[in-house]
Amino acid sequence: SAVISQKPSRDICQRGTSLTIQCQVDSQVTMMFWYRQQPGQSLTLIATANQGSEATYESGFVIDKFPISRPNLTFSTLTVSNMSPEDSSIYLCSVVERVAYEQYFGPGTRLTVT
Amino acid sequence: GEDVEQSLFLSVREGDSSVINCTYTDSSSTYLYWYKQEPGAGLQLLTYIFSNMDMKQDQRLTVLLNKKDKHLSLRIADTQTGDSAIYFCAVREGKLIFGQGTELSVKP
Repeated sequence: SAVISQKPSRDICQRGTSLTIQCQVDSQVTMMFWYRQQPGQSLTLIATANQGSEATYESGFVIDKFPISRPNLTFSTLTVSNMSPEDSSIYLCSVVERVAYEQYFGPGTRLTVT
Repeated sequence: GEDVEQSLFLSVREGDSSVINCTYTDSSSTYLYWYKQEPGAGLQLLTYIFSNMDMKQDQRLTVLLNKKDKHLSLRIADTQTGDSAIYFCAVREGKLIFGQGTELSVKP
């Protein structure tokens, strides 16, 4: 399976600032996703990162708040903009490799907004 | 839309079997998954089953699928303290839909 790394692994940020999270995969993957896991909760899909075009956002998530880039088949970034304490969550990158039904997750970025 | 439900907690003794249950609402779900999340870690794909299968076994893990009742279960044989974690059921309806997670506590 693909090896997924995320940077940073954790951060504490001030309200009103922005943080960019990087996701790097060790192989070319067909699909990349970004999820949010709020404290003690399940996972919610934020968006599908599309290579060379705008991401596809789920209901309740907008590009101005969560801009996403995917310049190639192994790398993506998620920015959490104008942060508030409600953005305190774990943000996880996820990929689907060649086998369409196997989906893997990165280690997550633990964000605390004060 | 799809709704996936799990019980929140399960406590077992070391060496016993654990059974974690999951129900879902959409009968068109194609693949059904079990993920494990240890404290401070991401999600580990444990196993998955295609909707035309009833059972899948992988070492200590057995997945049972009852399509009629839309019920999925994960059995862990000879449960160890290292199995303590949160277990998420997920179903694929285009995208992955997750349950709330079941926290498994294994007591020595």
